[in-house]
Amino acid sequence: GNSVTQMEGPVTLSEEAFLTINCTYTATGYPSLFWYVQYPGEGLQLLLKATKADDKGSNKGFEATYRKETTSFHLEKGSVQVSDSAVYFCALRGTGFQKLVFGTGTRLLVSP
Amino acid sequence: GAGVSQSPRYKVAKRGQDVALRCDPISGHVSLFWYQQALGQGPEFLTYFQNEAQLDKSGLPSDRFFAERPEGSVSTLKIQRTQQEDSAVYLCASSSGQGSTNEKLFFGSGTQLSVL
Repeated sequence: GNSVTQMEGPVTLSEEAFLTINCTYTATGYPSLFWYVQYPGEGLQLLLKATKADDKGSNKGFEATYRKETTSFHLEKGSVQVSDSAVYFCALRGTGFQKLVFGTGTRLLVSP
Repeated sequence: GAGVSQSPRYKVAKRGQDVALRCDPISGHVSLFWYQQALGQGPEFLTYFQNEAQLDKSGLPSDRFFAERPEGSVSTLKIQRTQQEDSAVYLCASSSGQGSTNEKLFFGSGTQLSVL
């Protein structure tokens, strides 16, 4: 079945550091890929998405590229801020399916 | 409303009690999803509605779990004879279309259920 694997956290960085959170997936067909973010006390929010191979999703300085050859969708940001501290979830939606399959989440802690 | 609203925010139940969790989706949203999120884990799919029709209930863990959306708007997730393993955050999400791959899901803040 479809699945998503994320790097375990927490990821602890200083402000302005470079961020990478790894995500790989297993799926048949051509899934759509997503990153969701959960800030403390808030609901999950869509951060970015990519719907086909080589697409790059971007939002708020975050980027992720859909790599079909490596089945990956790694999240990157060039310079993190304290306000980026949150839990980040990688997810996929398989071809012909409505439901999202999530990874276990990666907590990011950014210190001043 | 402005977003997806879930109630109650917290629920404590004694083992064996029945509970009902409510979800108010964004007005006019066709699709509604329920997810279960255990501590330290990602959300796990439970069930999906398109309007009032429950099109996918493959994620419901047992026949103690039941969901309905009788008028195609508000949805209720009911858990009968709660067990400790039911303790989790229950998330509701809605979207404007019929669940295609490009749609954005809007999530509520969830109901945290603790079964003692």
